[in-house]
Amino acid sequence: DAKTTQPPSMDCAEGRAANLPCNHSTISGNEYVYWYRQIHSQGPQYIIHGLKNNETNEMASLIITEDRKSSTLILPHATLRDTAVYYCIVRFPQGGSEKLVFGKGTKLTVNP
Amino acid sequence: NAGVMQNPRHLVRRRGQEARLRCSPMKGHSHVYWYRQLPEEGLKFMVYLQKENIIDESGMPKERFSAEFPKEGPSILRIQQVVRGDSAAYFCASSSDRGTYNEQFFGPGTRLTVL
Repeated sequence: DAKTTQPPSMDCAEGRAANLPCNHSTISGNEYVYWYRQIHSQGPQYIIHGLKNNETNEMASLIITEDRKSSTLILPHATLRDTAVYYCIVRFPQGGSEKLVFGKGTKLTVNP
Repeated sequence: NAGVMQNPRHLVRRRGQEARLRCSPMKGHSHVYWYRQLPEEGLKFMVYLQKENIIDESGMPKERFSAEFPKEGPSILRIQQVVRGDSAAYFCASSSDRGTYNEQFFGPGTRLTVL
C-alpha cells in the first residue's frame, strides 16, 4: 500500500502557483520523496525528488518539512498543460530495485 | 537520446488469444519495470527485470502472465489466453544502475483491448 496521503483533487488558475501537499508521516530516515505526474492517458513523468532539503529544478520545487512528515510540490506558474494526476511516492533510492507504489494521487485541474 | 519505447501502442485481441507487449528501455538502462493500469484505477507494479533475470515478480498474476528481458532485444510481457479483465494500459519503465536516485522513466504505454 502507498505510504502517502494526498487530497484527491485540486484546482488552480492558469499562471498562478499550484501547491500540492503530501503527508508521509511514516517515512523512514533513508527514504526519499519522489513526485511523478500522469497527464491523461500518457506514461507517468518523473518530476522531482528529495530527502530533507528543499529542491528545485526546471519543472517544480519540492518543500519538505523539517520533521519530513509532509512535503509540498510547487508548480510556480501553472499552465493548462500541467493538468494531470500528481503522485507523491516515498521509497529507497539505491540499487534501482525498488518498485514504485502509486497511490490515488491528486488530480490537478488548471483552469483558464 | 530516445526515451523508453513500447510497441504496439494499441493492441486488440479476442478472448483466448495471446498478447505480446514489447519494451525497449532507454539507452544505457539495464533495469525494466512493468506496470498495469486498469480503467479508472491507479498504476500497479507487476514485475522488475534486469538483463536475463527476474528480480521481483510480486505483482504478476500467478497464471497466464510472464515477462522476460533477454540479453539482446526488448523486454517482453506475454499474456496467454487473454480475458476481458486483462484490458488495461500496460506501462514499461526503465532505470539506470549508475545513478544514486534511480528515477524510473516511463514509456507511452500499450493499450490492450480484449474483445
